[in-house]
Amino acid sequence: QLQLQESGPGLVKPSETLSLTCTVSGGPISGSSYYWGWIRQPPGKGLEWIGSIYHSGSTYYNPSLKSRVTISVDTSNNQFSLKVSSVTAADTAVYYCARGSRGGEINYYMDVWGRGTTVTVSS
Amino acid sequence: SYEVSQPPSVSVSPGQTASITCSGDKLGDKYACWYQQKPGQSPVLVIYEDNKRASGIPERFSGSNSGNTATLTIRGTQAMDEADYYCQAWDSSTVVFGGGTKLTVL
Repeated sequence: QLQLQESGPGLVKPSETLSLTCTVSGGPISGSSYYWGWIRQPPGKGLEWIGSIYHSGSTYYNPSLKSRVTISVDTSNNQFSLKVSSVTAADTAVYYCARGSRGGEINYYMDVWGRGTTVTVSS
Repeated sequence: SYEVSQPPSVSVSPGQTASITCSGDKLGDKYACWYQQKPGQSPVLVIYEDNKRASGIPERFSGSNSGNTATLTIRGTQAMDEADYYCQAWDSSTVVFGGGTKLTVL
């Protein structure tokens, strides 16, 4: 059974870079047709997609975050990572990683999610 | 940029049918999916590709998508269905979430 687990610091200072890793167990990242993505949810608010990556390294980003976000994949360790630079209090959220499936140009859904990790931006 | 919108809240009596809508320009030309999120938990995929139930999802959950509106329908709503529901579409290589609908089972 595929499982995803987020990890990283729970507290980040303003203006610094937030770094998280998602470890995938129960199946390989490479050699599959899935995408691997990050989603966040500020306290009391809705879901916001951050971006997704294919095992080949091709990426898709939310245009509103693209200038500050980098997603990378480490197939040797079956992990993918998120970096958000120049963080502010508005980046405080629960961060989820998830597996994405695509069916052509008009379809993308996420069928396996991690439990999420809370990141607070504060000095 | 593409947007989809949902009503903030929907109420339903136990045993009745709940309908949650998701509206977007020509949404019917894309695939819609739905997630259920209970307090303190991760989202769970409920419906994908407009009307396919995800693994382990009860038959009382169904979906449709036509024109500008996708709809999540829950027949015979149970207390355990009380949760936030999010619709999601894919447009111009980006994931688009609706703002979420809080379903209250009264």
